[in-house]
Amino acid sequence: DAGVTQSPTHLIKTRGQQVTLRCSPKSGHDTVSWYQQALGQGPQFIFQYYEEEERQRGNFPDRFSGHQFPNYSSELNVNALLLGDSALYLCASSFTSGTNEQFFGPGTRLTVL
Amino acid sequence: ELKVEQNPLFLSMQEGKNYTIYCNYSTTSDRLYWYRQDPGKSLESLFVLLSNGAVKQEGRLMASLDTKARLSTLHITAAVHDLSATYFCAVDSFGNEKLTFGTGTRLTIIP
Repeated sequence: DAGVTQSPTHLIKTRGQQVTLRCSPKSGHDTVSWYQQALGQGPQFIFQYYEEEERQRGNFPDRFSGHQFPNYSSELNVNALLLGDSALYLCASSFTSGTNEQFFGPGTRLTVL
Repeated sequence: ELKVEQNPLFLSMQEGKNYTIYCNYSTTSDRLYWYRQDPGKSLESLFVLLSNGAVKQEGRLMASLDTKARLSTLHITAAVHDLSATYFCAVDSFGNEKLTFGTGTRLTIIP
Protein backbone atom coordinates (compact mmCIF):
# COMPACT_ATOMS: atom_id res chain seq x y z
CA ASP A 1 0.00 0.00 0.00
CA ALA A 2 1.70 3.18 -1.22
CA GLY A 3 1.80 6.04 1.20
CA VAL A 4 1.67 9.71 0.35
CA THR A 5 4.05 10.65 -2.44
CA GLN A 6 5.33 14.07 -3.43
CA SER A 7 7.38 15.43 -6.30
CA PRO A 8 9.86 16.84 -6.79
CA THR A 9 12.04 16.14 -3.74
CA HIS A 10 14.07 19.29 -4.06
CA LEU A 11 13.63 22.45 -6.08
CA ILE A 12 15.69 25.60 -6.51
CA LYS A 13 14.05 28.71 -7.93
CA THR A 14 14.82 32.41 -8.11
CA ARG A 15 12.74 35.28 -6.82
CA GLY A 16 9.72 36.11 -8.96
CA GLN A 17 9.47 32.66 -10.51
CA GLN A 18 6.53 30.30 -10.21
CA VAL A 19 6.57 26.73 -8.88
CA THR A 20 4.22 23.72 -8.93
CA LEU A 21 4.45 20.94 -6.38
CA ARG A 22 2.60 17.66 -6.70
CA CYS A 23 1.09 15.18 -4.26
CA SER A 24 -0.57 11.77 -4.53
CA PRO A 25 -2.57 10.76 -1.45
CA LYS A 26 -2.48 7.48 0.38
CA SER A 27 -4.75 4.85 -1.15
CA GLY A 28 -8.33 5.26 0.07
CA HIS A 29 -7.88 8.86 1.14
CA ASP A 30 -9.95 11.64 -0.39
CA THR A 31 -8.70 14.78 1.35
CA VAL A 32 -5.39 16.53 0.79
CA SER A 33 -3.89 19.26 2.96
CA TRP A 34 -0.78 21.31 2.33
CA TYR A 35 1.57 22.66 4.98
CA GLN A 36 4.64 24.89 4.94
CA GLN A 37 7.40 24.13 7.41
CA ALA A 38 10.16 26.68 7.85
CA LEU A 39 13.42 25.54 9.36
CA GLY A 40 13.11 24.89 13.09
CA GLN A 41 9.36 25.51 13.19
CA GLY A 42 6.18 23.49 13.20
CA PRO A 43 4.17 23.03 9.99
CA GLN A 44 1.77 25.85 9.08
CA PHE A 45 -1.51 25.02 7.34
CA ILE A 46 -1.84 26.42 3.83
CA PHE A 47 -5.11 24.90 2.57
CA GLN A 48 -7.13 21.72 2.28
CA TYR A 49 -8.87 20.17 -0.73
CA TYR A 50 -11.84 17.83 -0.78
CA GLU A 51 -14.01 16.90 -3.76
CA GLU A 52 -11.84 19.11 -5.95
CA GLU A 53 -12.73 22.20 -3.93
CA GLU A 54 -10.69 24.26 -1.48
CA ARG A 55 -12.41 23.52 1.81
CA GLN A 56 -10.26 25.52 4.21
CA ARG A 57 -7.46 28.03 3.91
CA GLY A 58 -4.82 29.26 6.32
CA ASN A 59 -3.21 32.68 6.52
CA PHE A 60 -1.35 32.56 3.23
CA PRO A 61 -1.55 35.11 0.41
CA ASP A 62 -3.29 34.50 -2.89
CA ARG A 63 0.10 33.74 -4.45
CA PHE A 64 -0.48 30.29 -3.01
CA SER A 65 -3.09 28.34 -4.94
CA GLY A 66 -3.96 24.74 -5.42
CA HIS A 67 -5.95 22.18 -7.24
CA GLN A 68 -7.31 18.71 -6.63
CA PHE A 69 -7.93 16.28 -9.47
CA PRO A 70 -10.65 13.60 -9.80
CA ASN A 71 -8.15 10.93 -8.69
CA TYR A 72 -7.63 12.93 -5.46
CA SER A 73 -4.08 13.97 -6.31
CA SER A 74 -3.26 17.60 -5.76
CA GLU A 75 -1.00 20.44 -6.82
CA LEU A 76 0.29 23.45 -4.93
CA ASN A 77 1.24 26.48 -7.00
CA VAL A 78 3.19 29.44 -5.73
CA ASN A 79 3.56 32.56 -7.89
CA ALA A 80 6.00 35.45 -7.61
CA LEU A 81 8.31 33.57 -5.29
CA LEU A 82 9.90 35.40 -2.39
CA LEU A 83 12.99 34.48 -0.41
CA GLY A 84 10.70 33.80 2.55
CA ASP A 85 8.93 31.05 0.62
CA SER A 86 11.97 28.84 1.11
CA ALA A 87 10.73 25.95 3.24
CA LEU A 88 9.76 22.28 3.31
CA TYR A 89 6.31 21.85 1.75
CA LEU A 90 4.40 18.92 3.14
CA CYS A 91 1.36 17.26 1.70
CA ALA A 92 -0.89 15.25 4.00
CA SER A 93 -3.81 13.01 3.13
CA SER A 94 -6.75 11.81 5.18
CA PHE A 95 -10.18 10.24 4.87
CA THR A 96 -12.94 12.78 5.37
CA SER A 97 -15.16 10.42 7.31
CA GLY A 98 -12.40 9.23 9.61
CA THR A 99 -10.60 10.69 12.60
CA ASN A 100 -8.77 13.28 10.47
CA GLU A 101 -5.50 11.51 11.19
CA GLN A 102 -3.31 13.02 8.50
CA PHE A 103 -0.51 11.05 6.88
CA PHE A 104 2.34 13.11 5.58
CA GLY A 105 4.41 12.71 2.46
CA PRO A 106 8.20 13.08 2.34
CA GLY A 107 7.95 16.76 1.44
CA THR A 108 9.41 19.03 -1.21
CA ARG A 109 12.35 21.20 -0.14
CA LEU A 110 11.99 24.55 -1.96
CA THR A 111 14.91 26.97 -2.01
CA VAL A 112 14.36 30.46 -3.40
CA LEU A 113 17.50 32.38 -4.31
CA GLU B 1 -6.75 32.39 17.53
CA LEU B 2 -5.84 28.86 18.57
CA LYS B 3 -2.35 28.56 20.02
CA VAL B 4 -0.54 25.34 20.82
CA GLU B 5 2.49 25.42 23.08
CA GLN B 6 4.89 22.66 23.97
CA ASN B 7 7.46 22.48 26.69
CA PRO B 8 10.23 22.00 26.91
CA LEU B 9 11.42 23.16 23.50
CA PHE B 10 14.66 21.25 23.89
CA LEU B 11 15.24 18.18 26.01
CA SER B 12 18.48 16.31 26.47
CA MET B 13 18.21 13.19 28.55
CA GLN B 14 20.19 10.10 29.34
CA GLU B 15 19.29 6.65 28.15
CA GLY B 16 17.20 4.76 30.63
CA LYS B 17 15.57 7.84 32.16
CA ASN B 18 11.90 8.83 32.10
CA TYR B 19 10.56 12.19 31.02
CA THR B 20 7.38 13.96 29.93
CA ILE B 21 6.66 16.46 27.15
CA TYR B 22 3.73 18.80 27.69
CA CYS B 23 1.33 20.22 25.10
CA ASN B 24 -1.08 23.03 26.02
CA TYR B 25 -3.68 24.53 23.70
CA SER B 26 -5.62 27.72 24.10
CA THR B 27 -9.19 26.96 22.98
CA THR B 28 -11.52 24.01 22.96
CA SER B 29 -10.40 21.35 20.53
CA ASP B 30 -11.84 17.96 19.82
CA ARG B 31 -8.85 15.91 18.80
CA LEU B 32 -5.14 15.87 19.52
CA TYR B 33 -2.37 14.24 17.53
CA TRP B 34 1.27 13.48 18.23
CA TYR B 35 3.83 13.30 15.45
CA ARG B 36 7.52 12.48 15.28
CA GLN B 37 9.93 14.11 12.86
CA ASP B 38 13.52 12.97 12.25
CA PRO B 39 16.00 15.56 10.91
CA GLY B 40 15.34 16.35 7.26
CA LYS B 41 12.40 13.94 7.15
CA SER B 42 8.64 14.12 7.12
CA LEU B 43 6.21 13.65 9.99
CA GLU B 44 5.26 10.22 11.29
CA SER B 45 1.92 9.83 13.05
CA LEU B 46 2.30 8.43 16.57
CA PHE B 47 -1.01 8.83 18.39
CA VAL B 48 -4.55 10.09 17.84
CA LEU B 49 -6.40 11.10 21.03
CA LEU B 50 -10.12 11.59 20.51
CA SER B 51 -11.68 12.15 23.92
CA ASN B 52 -11.07 13.37 27.44
CA GLY B 53 -9.07 10.83 29.42
CA ALA B 54 -7.81 9.03 26.33
CA VAL B 55 -4.54 7.19 26.81
CA LYS B 56 -2.54 5.50 24.07
CA GLN B 57 0.71 3.55 24.40
CA GLU B 58 3.20 2.27 21.87
CA GLY B 59 6.47 0.84 23.10
CA ARG B 60 8.21 3.34 25.35
CA LEU B 61 5.84 6.18 24.48
CA MET B 62 2.52 6.91 26.17
CA ALA B 63 0.22 9.82 25.34
CA SER B 64 -2.74 11.13 27.31
CA LEU B 65 -5.35 13.86 26.91
CA ASP B 66 -7.13 16.08 29.45
CA THR B 67 -9.55 18.26 27.49
CA LYS B 68 -10.71 20.13 30.57
CA ALA B 69 -7.17 21.30 31.30
CA ARG B 70 -6.46 21.60 27.56
CA LEU B 71 -3.36 19.53 28.14
CA SER B 72 -1.77 16.50 26.56
CA THR B 73 1.35 14.71 27.73
CA LEU B 74 3.78 12.45 25.94
CA HIS B 75 5.63 10.28 28.44
CA ILE B 76 8.86 8.55 27.57
CA THR B 77 9.84 5.51 29.60
CA ALA B 78 13.43 4.23 29.83
CA ALA B 79 14.57 6.32 26.88
CA VAL B 80 16.72 4.80 24.17
CA HIS B 81 18.81 6.57 21.52
CA ASP B 82 16.36 5.66 18.72
CA LEU B 83 13.79 7.99 20.28
CA SER B 84 15.92 11.06 19.47
CA ALA B 85 13.74 13.24 17.21
CA THR B 86 11.49 16.30 17.25
CA TYR B 87 8.01 15.64 18.62
CA PHE B 88 5.01 17.76 17.64
CA CYS B 89 1.53 17.86 19.02
CA ALA B 90 -1.32 19.19 16.87
CA VAL B 91 -5.01 19.89 17.47
CA ASP B 92 -8.12 20.31 15.37
CA SER B 93 -11.89 20.47 15.80
CA PHE B 94 -14.88 18.84 14.15
CA GLY B 95 -15.72 20.92 11.11
CA ASN B 96 -12.31 22.59 11.22
CA GLU B 97 -9.94 19.89 10.11
CA LYS B 98 -6.81 21.97 9.69
CA LEU B 99 -4.12 20.87 12.10
CA THR B 100 -2.59 23.56 14.30
CA PHE B 101 0.86 22.43 15.40
CA GLY B 102 2.79 23.13 18.51
CA THR B 103 6.27 24.56 18.58
CA GLY B 104 7.89 21.13 18.74
CA THR B 105 10.15 19.50 21.32
CA ARG B 106 13.60 18.52 20.15
CA LEU B 107 14.56 15.41 22.09
CA THR B 108 18.13 14.17 22.27
CA ILE B 109 18.90 10.91 24.05
CA ILE B 110 22.47 10.69 25.29
CA PRO B 111 24.06 7.23 25.71
